[in-house]
Amino acid sequence: NAGVTQTPKFQVLKTGQSMTLQCAQDMNHNSMYWYRQDPGMGLRLIYYSASEGTTDKGEVPNGYNVSRLNKREFSLRLESAAPSQTSVYFCASRRGLISNQPQHFGDGTRLSIL
Amino acid sequence: AQTVTQSQPEMSVQEAETVTLSCTYDTSESDYYLFWYKQPPSRQMILVIRQEAYKQQNATENRFSVNFQKAAKSFSLKISDSQLGDAAMYFCAYRSPGGSQGNLIFGKGTKLSVKP
Repeated sequence: NAGVTQTPKFQVLKTGQSMTLQCAQDMNHNSMYWYRQDPGMGLRLIYYSASEGTTDKGEVPNGYNVSRLNKREFSLRLESAAPSQTSVYFCASRRGLISNQPQHFGDGTRLSIL
Repeated sequence: AQTVTQSQPEMSVQEAETVTLSCTYDTSESDYYLFWYKQPPSRQMILVIRQEAYKQQNATENRFSVNFQKAAKSFSLKISDSQLGDAAMYFCAYRSPGGSQGNLIFGKGTKLSVKP
């Protein structure tokens, strides 16, 4: 099983450029999440989608938008990239109906904004 | 709001020995879930072990075990018979019960080195 797949794995952007990070899961999970990880920090929640058709802000949503395209896919968009958005981005999913189920993570996208 | 604190930025252990990583958390909830994730240099986030707060028994997964002290809001991870492959960042994480949000609140991590 592929689990949670993120594309691309690496990306370099110039300030002001836009880009969309893609995430897809094949586990039929209801809930999906986007986190960012900065040096010396744990992961922080950007946005989440509890179920298909719903999205909500997390701890650090400014500068980002998301789309839950269908049950499998949850994309994260940077409309006008800023150097402060240089980070490693993780997508995760969870079944969502059973509280003790853990989140499953993708391998991350390393994004650098010059 | 809940917070998770890992007070040891770095730890080191000799191969085959035992090491304990500390984690404390702050919450007003009585029911919740706690997790330890491992992040090796490959950057993957790998679930190591999880604990439901309503369970008094400490969780164990092979060489990994936890010491869950609910009253003290402490959730430490013990790694026995340490192996070179255990070298990684370890993150403690908290999750509220129920609902459909289910996001994790992470500590800042502990970098574990294993000496041969």
